[in-house]
Amino acid sequence: AQKVTQAQTEISVVEKEDVTLDCVYETRDTTYYLFWYKQPPSGELVFLIRRNSFDEQNEISGRYSWNFQKSTSSFNFTITASQVVDSAVYFCALISPNTGNQFYFGTGTSLTVIP
Amino acid sequence: DVKVTQSSRYLVKRTGEKVFLECVQDMDHENMFWYRQDPGLGLRLIYFSYDVKMKEKGDIPEGYSVSREKKERFSLILESASTNQTSMYLCASSPGQAGGNTIYFGEGSWLTVV
Repeated sequence: AQKVTQAQTEISVVEKEDVTLDCVYETRDTTYYLFWYKQPPSGELVFLIRRNSFDEQNEISGRYSWNFQKSTSSFNFTITASQVVDSAVYFCALISPNTGNQFYFGTGTSLTVIP
Repeated sequence: DVKVTQSSRYLVKRTGEKVFLECVQDMDHENMFWYRQDPGLGLRLIYFSYDVKMKEKGDIPEGYSVSREKKERFSLILESASTNQTSMYLCASSPGQAGGNTIYFGEGSWLTVV
């Protein structure tokens, strides 16, 4: 069975602090893909990153970085020097070709950055 | 850029009404999806479609149906709206049959059933 767990329901940080959003996944498949999406108050989910199961390199994009560790089945997301515009709900998701391309989403983490 | 457009941003409907939520994508994607988002429950898949006239049930299809007569358009239908269907509905699309493709979302439709 596929499952994505985002244990942090809500996080508040003060602007310029670093914050890490946790994502733990479960799958029996050897090939799978992990995603992060950002949902600002406007509602649209915005794609941030896609990572396949064979690529464990960490990735950095500006203030965003992702730490993928198969040993702990985690795909954590860190925002460095947070800004008010980072306030949003963030979703982690998993997809596996063996399950017909159905996406499995976590329940989301609501991040509030306080100015 | 991929564009997924949902026809209605905010709707208020009465219990028992038939409700249509329309979604159009402009990138010739094979796959289209309807999700429902509720606080604390995340995104739950209602229906998806891999091709024209093809549909598959997701996790919570009860009370809903879908229609995909054209590749670019995927409609969600609430045959008889109920108050427990008050929610935000998100349409999405993704390319191809191969696995792992990124899914792109519309802006969402906020439905209130009174």
